[in-house]
Formats: sequence, structure tokens, C-alpha cells
Amino acid sequence: EAQVTQNPRYLITVTGKKLTVTCSQNMNHEYMSWYRQDPGLGLRQIYYSMNVEVTDKGDVPEGYKVSRKEKRNFPLILESPSPNQTSLYFCASSFGTSGYETQYFGPGTRLLVL
Amino acid sequence: DAKTTQPPSMDCAEGRAANLPCNHSTISGNEYVYWYRQIHSQGPQYIIHGLKNNETNEMASLIITEDRKSSTLILPHATLRDTAVYYCIVRAPNTNAGKSTFGDGTTLTVKP
Repeated sequence: EAQVTQNPRYLITVTGKKLTVTCSQNMNHEYMSWYRQDPGLGLRQIYYSMNVEVTDKGDVPEGYKVSRKEKRNFPLILESPSPNQTSLYFCASSFGTSGYETQYFGPGTRLLVL
Repeated sequence: DAKTTQPPSMDCAEGRAANLPCNHSTISGNEYVYWYRQIHSQGPQYIIHGLKNNETNEMASLIITEDRKSSTLILPHATLRDTAVYYCIVRAPNTNAGKSTFGDGTTLTVKP
């Protein structure tokens, strides 16, 4: 089954404790992206990747890191989480960014930083 | 990418057609109109997209005006499970290709 998976789905952590949220897709998509969603602010893009070893900032990259060492994986790293990073996070992938593509989203990761 | 404007909320009776409008008056000639929906904090789901012509698939129909400055997503027989936030997005091929912006969308409530 074609899908985007994220782990963990729920996470409670404390300020400053490094964490990684994994994202994996099995569709051989070139493009992957991370979003956060907060009440009243909609979906905001954090980082995206056009292909392996190619990443770039979205609209809200501060406090986050990403890497794309393999085509299927695109982990989101919070090196020193803070309470303002409490949010619902979504990973997405698409075959390309030609304008013909559609994005497939993962189920989301709900993060609480205390 | 062009900015879109959608009403914040709409209601629809179950079994009736839901018509969700979207204004994109600054759309460029090579920009596509995409529609996604998000059901209660799940990951957004692609519905349909188009460039100039009207489009239809198993989920919905997309009507784009001749001047392309607005479009309407039509759910022909809305069910309670169609209650969701609907996002209208315009995107151009290979222009800021990686960046993707979702607006606030329209919250559609389907009522029995």
C-alpha cells in the first residue's frame, strides 16, 4: 500500500531534550516536506527536500533541522525543543514539483513540549 | 504562487451538493488549482486539480471560470463524512518549486 508513515504518532517531552520524528514513504517520491499545524495558523511549511541531499527552508524553519540521506526517509530533528514547538506535525511527499504532482500526507505526529 | 481567498465556513445538508468557492484573481497562466481536504486533524488528502478545463473524478468536480480568477469545488452528494476543512491552492510548475502554502481553507459542515 502506498503510504507516508510517521513515528512516533504522539510524543511528550521536556524542554531541551533532543528528539527526532521520522518520516518514510514507499512511493519512490523525489519531493518530501514537513509542515506544522497550530490552531488558527493553518499548515505552515518547515522544510522541504527536492531530492537526496537537497533540502531548503520553508516558512518556519527556526528550531528545526532535517536531512535527506535516502530517498524514502526525511527525518525532522528538534535539537533543543521548546514549548512553542508544541504542535501537530505532518510529513508529505510527491513524485515531483512540476505542478502536475499531488502531495501525499502522513497521519501526523502530535508533539507536546513541557 | 497566487494567493487564494475562501470563505471561512459553510454548511450543507446531507445528500445535497456542496459548492465551495475559491477566488484566485492573481493566478498566472501556468498555475494549477489544487484542492485538498483535512478531516479532523488527519493528514490532508488530495481531491482534484485543474488548469483551465473543468475536471471530474470519483470524489468531486472542479469548475474553473473562463478567466481562471475563481473556481468552485463541487461535492455532488455530500455525506456526514465530508465534514472537513477544504483548502484551495494554486501552484506553478517549477516556480519556487519546493515551497508549498496552504491558506486557512473553508470548514464545511455537513448536517443531517
